[in-house]
Amino acid sequence: ETGVTQTPRHLVMGMTNKKSLKCEQHLGHNAMYWYKQSAKKPLELMFVYNFKEQTENNSVPSRFSPECPNSSHLFLHLHTLQPEDSALYLCASSQDGTGRDEQYFGPGTRLTVT
Amino acid sequence: AQKITQTQPGMFVQEKEAVTLDCTYDTSDQSYGLFWYKQPSSGEMIFLIYQGSYDEQNATEGRYSLNFQKARKSANLVISASQLGDSAMYFCAMREPSGGGADGLTFGKGTHLIIQP
Repeated sequence: ETGVTQTPRHLVMGMTNKKSLKCEQHLGHNAMYWYKQSAKKPLELMFVYNFKEQTENNSVPSRFSPECPNSSHLFLHLHTLQPEDSALYLCASSQDGTGRDEQYFGPGTRLTVT
Repeated sequence: AQKITQTQPGMFVQEKEAVTLDCTYDTSDQSYGLFWYKQPSSGEMIFLIYQGSYDEQNATEGRYSLNFQKARKSANLVISASQLGDSAMYFCAMREPSGGGADGLTFGKGTHLIIQP
């Protein structure tokens, strides 16, 4: 595997379910990110991790819970979601998240909340 | 107020023509970075080009160039000799240093570019 991978690619869950999204990067990067892409809205930054430490939480509701056990893996734990949380969730990584450091994105997880 | 404004929701361009995608930004920081990403229908975001606020030259990457006008706070993407494979969503994004280490990006709403044969 190369680059940034995300699993699952598609997920349908009920509002009372608990599920997790997984992101893995094979680039040796130190920073990882979660973004939400809803229809008709710009990509929204959710969380930033740098060297496994969370450095930014962009006022995300507590029903989204991130976890970064090491610099290569990032999870997004989901529970009691709402239909408006249906979106494409994109994971990204970068070397250190500063300056001209570009972010590499995964293919995303298409989440549908029923 | 929006930090990144892309005023063209959609554009149709003939193949082989040059195309300019508009982007204006709003920041009070002196040091910042501007990025353009492409998102084909497959969904994956692909980095195209970067311009730093202190870069004196406009950035270029192959057929992509960035028309950076700092005083106007604009960073338009120019694609020369467009190809059918350029059809995609294009996003302008900005990094503002937070001082806390890694910085996320703020994105615009995007422009849907369609190249016609």
